[in-house]
Amino acid sequence: QVQLVESGGGVVQPGRSLRLSCAASGFTFSTYAMHWVRQAPGKGLEWVGVVSYDGTGKYYAVSMEGRFTISRDNSKNTLYLQMNSLTTEDTAVYYCARETAIRELSNPLDQWGQGTLVTVSS
Amino acid sequence: EIVLTQSPATLSLSPGERATLSCRASQSVSYYLAWYQQKPGQAPRLLIYDTSNRATGIPARFSGSGSGTDFTLTISSLEPEDFAVYYCQQRSKWPLTFGGGTKVEI
Repeated sequence: QVQLVESGGGVVQPGRSLRLSCAASGFTFSTYAMHWVRQAPGKGLEWVGVVSYDGTGKYYAVSMEGRFTISRDNSKNTLYLQMNSLTTEDTAVYYCARETAIRELSNPLDQWGQGTLVTVSS
Repeated sequence: EIVLTQSPATLSLSPGERATLSCRASQSVSYYLAWYQQKPGQAPRLLIYDTSNRATGIPARFSGSGSGTDFTLTISSLEPEDFAVYYCQQRSKWPLTFGGGTKVEI
């Protein structure tokens, strides 16, 4: 079965960096675009960004472009989110999610991980 | 970016009742609108995609309609497990965006 397992969350000081990982299994990772979505405590869902199945296409939310970078290693079946210059407003659960269709971009998200909590605090 | 406004913020209903949730887009998203359900402590789950298509395993009591800027998610008869928060999401234009959510409570 499809599994997405995020890791790398924790407590980090404002201004510092953090890299999240999402380990995928149960499907052909290299054929699906992958997304990051976050959710601040008690708030709604916020789309972070996407990377195409082959890593050549990337889009980001306006508020995160320039600070966040999404990448993937298809040989390791792993998705990454590099977050720089973190602020308290980046405190959230970060989910990775898979699109519904292969070798396309901008499809609905039908598989989600359980999320990893990032807390930005001094 | 396209702003999605969901209403109402909270819907108080009883099991067996019909739920009607609204999602309005700040500009046309054609039919590229999806609905997700989220329960406390869980990841979101895809319910409806491209306005009216149920995702795999989603019961027939969930249905979606609309086009352009106005969309509706209908739950024909609420089951106890349907009490949750529902989000709409557009994939018409980058950046993708979610609505603020509607909580369906007892």
